[in-house]
Amino acid sequence: SQKIEQNSEALNIQEGKTATLTCNYTNYSPAYLQWYRQDPGRGPVFLLLIRENEKEKRKERLKVTFDTTLKQSLFHITASQPADSATYLCASFRMDSSYKLIFGSGTRLLVRP
Amino acid sequence: DTGVSQNPRHKITKRGQNVTFRCDPISEHNRLYWYRQTLGQGPEFLTYFQNEAQLEKSRLLSDRFSAERPKGSFSTLEIQRTEQGDSAMYLCASSLDQFGYTFGSGTRLTVV
Repeated sequence: SQKIEQNSEALNIQEGKTATLTCNYTNYSPAYLQWYRQDPGRGPVFLLLIRENEKEKRKERLKVTFDTTLKQSLFHITASQPADSATYLCASFRMDSSYKLIFGSGTRLLVRP
Repeated sequence: DTGVSQNPRHKITKRGQNVTFRCDPISEHNRLYWYRQTLGQGPEFLTYFQNEAQLEKSRLLSDRFSAERPKGSFSTLEIQRTEQGDSAMYLCASSLDQFGYTFGSGTRLTVV
């Protein structure tokens, strides 16, 4: 079955460093991937979308890459700040649906001051 | 417009009771979705509306669950005869297209 997998272990980094989160997908080839941020007790907030023909996408301190050979997307936050601490979710559509977004389980990021 | 609004934010109910949640999407969004999220997991798709039509319903939704979107505006999700396994965060989202959903803050359901 189509799966999106994210590292379930929390990522703990020092303020100012670059955080890199990984999203792997199996058994399908998504046309694009989306990244969301979720704070405790809140709904996910859309951050970035990257298409399969785009190698890299940037938005301020955020960068997303999409490697169709490795079946992987990397999400980078440069010059990380304690306010970046949250859970980050990777998502894509199932191949049989253009609206059934499936999510990974998310990776929690903790940025220490 | 203040985004997607969900009510109530929290609901505690006894097993066997019925509960109903409401979602008010962004007014110009014709697509509306319900998701369920449990601790440590990503949101799971429950159902999708385009305008007032419910186009898909997940196998996760048993016959005890029903959703409506009358007139293509707000939506309600009802759970009948709640069970402890229904305890979760119920998230509503809306969008104009498939690129980037706007989620509400969710309704946290606790069944005791």
